[in-house]
Amino acid sequence: QKEVEQDPGPLSVPEGAIVSLNCTYSNSAFQYFMWYRQYSRKGPELLMYTYSSGNKEDGRFTAQVDKSSKYISLFIRDSQPSDSATYLCAMKGNTGKLIFGQGTTLQVKP
Amino acid sequence: DTEVTQTPKHLVMGMTNKKSLKCEQHMGHRAMYWYKQKAKKPPELMFVYSYEKLSINESVPSRFSPECPNSSLLNLHLHALQPEDSALYLCASSQLDLGVSYEQYFGPGTRLTVT
Repeated sequence: QKEVEQDPGPLSVPEGAIVSLNCTYSNSAFQYFMWYRQYSRKGPELLMYTYSSGNKEDGRFTAQVDKSSKYISLFIRDSQPSDSATYLCAMKGNTGKLIFGQGTTLQVKP
Repeated sequence: DTEVTQTPKHLVMGMTNKKSLKCEQHMGHRAMYWYKQKAKKPPELMFVYSYEKLSINESVPSRFSPECPNSSLLNLHLHALQPEDSALYLCASSQLDLGVSYEQYFGPGTRLTVT
C-alpha cells in the first residue's frame, strides 16, 4: 500500500462546476499538507499549504485536512478551463522528504 | 517573490557528454532539492541540501553529482547518462527553521533528453 493514495482520474467537469480532489494517507506522522498544480511540461506550482487539521481558503480554492480520517481535500469553486492541469497532493512529517500522491488530471470543459 | 529559476530549459546530451543543470533562489531558503519527474508520474526526490550540506541522497547513481556552492545556488552535474535518465529535472527550495523544513517551491524544470 502506498503512503499516499490519489485517484489519477482523469476528471472532466463543465466550466463553473465545483471540483473536489482528494487524497488519503497512512502515515500518522504527516503534519504538513500541500496541493500543487502542474501544467503540462511545467514545474509544480504551490497552491495551498496547511499545517495539521482544519480548513484554509484562498480565492476559489479551499483545502481541508482531516487528520483523524487521514484524508485531505482540495475544492475548486467556479472552475475555469484554465484550471485544467494535474493536481498533486503532497505531505510530510518533520523530515525533509515530501511524499506525493500520483496526481489527478483535471479537465474543465468550456 | 517565490521564484526558483532553472537553466537550461531544455538539454539534449549524448551518453558520453558532461553537462550541468543550474538552479537559483533568492528567498533566503536554506533547504534545496533535486527531483526527477517522468511523464504522468509525481516527482521523485533525488537529493536534499540543508544549510549547504548534503543531507539526503536517495540512492541516486553516481552519474548524477549534486553541488551546492552557496545558499542560493544548486547544481546537478551529469556524466555518462543513459537514455532512461531522460526526464524533467526539478529544483525546489524551502524555508528551514530549527531543522524543520516547510512548503517547497519548485522551479520550471529542465527537460533533459539523453540520446
